[in-house]
Amino acid sequence: ETGVTQSPTHLIKTRGQQVTLRCSSQSGHNTVSWYQQALGQGPQFIFQYYREEENGRGNFPPRFSGLQFPNYSSELNVNALELDDSALYLCASSLRSGGLDEQFFGPGTRLTVL
Amino acid sequence: QKEVEQNSGPLSVPEGAIASLNCTYSDRVSQSFFWYRQYSGKSPELIMSIYSNGDKEDGRFTAQLNKASQYVSLLIRDSQPSDSATYLCAVPLTGGGNKLTFGTGTQLKVEL
Repeated sequence: ETGVTQSPTHLIKTRGQQVTLRCSSQSGHNTVSWYQQALGQGPQFIFQYYREEENGRGNFPPRFSGLQFPNYSSELNVNALELDDSALYLCASSLRSGGLDEQFFGPGTRLTVL
Repeated sequence: QKEVEQNSGPLSVPEGAIASLNCTYSDRVSQSFFWYRQYSGKSPELIMSIYSNGDKEDGRFTAQLNKASQYVSLLIRDSQPSDSATYLCAVPLTGGGNKLTFGTGTQLKVEL
């Protein structure tokens, strides 16, 4: 167990809807990164939050947005869901942003878009 | 060229053998390298990190790094059926600190 938690575990939505995924980081970690993992692929970096500010973004459209709260927990919001958004969404926490620190993943949220 | 490349496998080895997993990366300035294990339906679990050229051993696992060849490998000695999983190689995104880019993973099957 990494101490990183995510909710919900599974989610089914229809195309065009909006979804919010949640993540609580490991105690003492102030950096949260979000990844999308499609079936048979490695995780792809969506964005990172450090001390409540976005700190880097991958190649994802603006309909993917996020927040980080003062307790360092985080949300990932996806608007106007598309079928290709079906994936495992992973949250990873680390001790700090700019270093070479290891990242620890939560159990993930499996999103299915119909 | 993809930033991180791995053979997708599956790589099949008999129980007790050494499994060798390989990864190449494109960014010459990468400073840190990670191996994650992912069981089917689960999230990635960090098993090794390596930052310097050479070998790093942790139990049955050895990570090997060759920055000149842009190559990192993971050896698993005395492979067990419980080692059957997908192994993901990850390196930081260019200029990205600890924002990671992953390979597609190598599926390892340890057969009885």
